[in-house]
Formats: sequence, C-alpha cells, structure tokens
Amino acid sequence: QLQLQESGPGLVKPSETLSLTCTVSGGSIRSSHCYWGWIRQPPGKGLEWIGSINYSGSTYYDPSLKSRLTIFVDTSKNQFSLKLSSVTAADTAVYYCARHETSLRSLVWFPNWFDPWGQGTLVTVSS
Amino acid sequence: QSALTQPRSVSGSPGQSVTISCTGTSSDVGGYNYVSWYQQHPGKAPKLMIYDVSKRPSGVPDRFSGSQSGNTASLTISGLQAEDEADYYCCSYGGSWVFGGGTKMTVL
Repeated sequence: QLQLQESGPGLVKPSETLSLTCTVSGGSIRSSHCYWGWIRQPPGKGLEWIGSINYSGSTYYDPSLKSRLTIFVDTSKNQFSLKLSSVTAADTAVYYCARHETSLRSLVWFPNWFDPWGQGTLVTVSS
Repeated sequence: QSALTQPRSVSGSPGQSVTISCTGTSSDVGGYNYVSWYQQHPGKAPKLMIYDVSKRPSGVPDRFSGSQSGNTASLTISGLQAEDEADYYCCSYGGSWVFGGGTKMTVL
C-alpha cells in the first residue's frame, strides 16, 4: 500500500526558504505515468495546489508561486522535495504531499487527481 | 486562477440525500472532465472520493456519486451517515489545478 510522509522544519523565519521532503514508501517514485504533488492548507482555509513533478523532473507549478518555487525529485531515495523562498506569514499552512495520478489525454499521460495523501505537516512562518 | 465556487455549508438528516455543487467556468470544470472530490475530517488529510467527474475509487461507498452539467459539477451523498460529516472539496484542471473553497457537510 502506497504511503507518503512529509518531513521538514515546523518553523521558518520570514524572508527565509521553506524546505520540505516527501518520502514515498510501498511503491516506487519511478512509477510510470505518475506525478507527485504538493498541496497546502492555511489554517481554517481551503486547499491550494502548489506544484507537481514526475520522476524525470518534469514539473507543473502554480503560476502565483512559480517565481519562489522549486520542486525536485531524488529517485535514489524515493523522495521529492519542495523549496519555497522569501516566505511570509501568508505561507503558514499545513503542507501535504500526494500522488498526482494521471489519465491519458491526447496520447499524453496528464496529471488529474490526488491519491493518496500524506498526513500533512504544519509549517509556521514567524520570527 | 479563481477558486471554484462551493456552498459554504449543507446539511441533512441520517438516511437523506444531499448534493454539493461546484461551479467553475468553461475554462476549467466545463472544459475538461477532470473533476475530483475530496473528503476531509477535522485534523485529517483529504481523501479521494470521486475522480473523472463520476468514478469512484475502490473502497468508497456507492452512496457517493458525482455528476456534471456544463460548468457545474456535483457530489451527491445518499443514505447519509454520521461519519459523512466532514468538509468536502472539489478540484478541477483549468490551466493549473484549482480547488473549491470547501463545503462543511453536517449530519443533523
């Protein structure tokens, strides 16, 4: 059974870089046709997609975060990671990682739904 | 890209049916059959309930069903049970992946 687990600092200072890692177990991150995504949820608010990556490093980023965002994959460790620079209090959220499952669209495997999800990790941006 | 529009709250009594709507535009919900729905209990991670508008993953009760008409997708829960009380989010592709604002579903 595929499981995902987020890890990283729970507290980040304003203007610094938020770094999180998602470890995939029970399956390979090199699975064909899979992307791997990051989603966040500010306290008391809704879900926000951040970005997704596949095992070869092909990425999709949320346009509003693109200038501050890097997502990369380490297939040797079965992990993918997120770096978000120049953080502010608005980046305080529970950060989830999830498999971004694909479906065939015009002969291309295209990311579609998120399943399963990690348990999430709270990151607070504060001095 | 704007979030998809969901009602803030819905409610129903045990055994009844409720429907949660998710309204977008022709650039997202109406332009693709890529709507998914997630259930989230307090303090827990979201769980996939519906994908590709109306498909149910294995293990999800058939009380949960999805549909779409034009720019609006819907999640219907029939035969409401106490454990269905949760927040529900829709999601669609429309240039990027966007979620609805979430609906709090209360079982009376």
